[in-house]
Amino acid sequence: SYELTQPPSVSVAPGQTARIPCGGNNIGSETVHWYQQRPGQAPVLVVNADSDRPSGIPERFSGSNSGNTATLTISRVEAGDEADYYCHVWDTSGDHPEGVFGGGTKLTVL
Amino acid sequence: QVQLQESGPGLVKPSGTLSLTCAVSGGSVSNPNWWSWVRQPPGKGLEWIGEIYHTGNSNYKPSLKSRVTMSVDKSSNQFSLRLTSVTAADTAVYFCACDTTGYYNGFNSWGRGTLVTVSS
Repeated sequence: SYELTQPPSVSVAPGQTARIPCGGNNIGSETVHWYQQRPGQAPVLVVNADSDRPSGIPERFSGSNSGNTATLTISRVEAGDEADYYCHVWDTSGDHPEGVFGGGTKLTVL
Repeated sequence: QVQLQESGPGLVKPSGTLSLTCAVSGGSVSNPNWWSWVRQPPGKGLEWIGEIYHTGNSNYKPSLKSRVTMSVDKSSNQFSLRLTSVTAADTAVYFCACDTTGYYNGFNSWGRGTLVTVSS
């Protein structure tokens, strides 16, 4: 089955830009979704379909996807952005779609 | 916006069966979208378990397929998860989730999650 690889952690100072990668074989041909999960809460969709921002998500959140890496970019990072972030694709290579998540990246705001 | 709420026992004995229900409000379980279950072991990442459509069609993660059954109850506007032969490895927070667009986008609606512990 398809595998997604994320670094366990990323650290960034407030006001700087955080980039969280999600690696996968030719992931650029897949559609990637990103979630933010704060401790004790359910995940929240922050980027849909590679680069679309759902209603209510700040413009500071953006996504890109090309080659073997998709990237979630958070501009002007704030303390409240500290959370776990997960990438997600629907693997359609088999008999039926299968949801696949990356292992998650903990964003630390220094 | 569709709202989801999980319910079920918080403790299941090893080798027993885990049964959870997800109540749908603000919409209908007969909407043209798939309803999913996702779990998260303590301190670990998210794992997709499977999905079900209101017609009863379902897709499961291959590694769990032999133990998972999902169903839909239109009269109660809810859908359910059943996982048999549970072990400690099945201890997790279980979320129900859906993509209300119905086009295999990201999950834009999630329940709060419910912790299920497998222990004697």
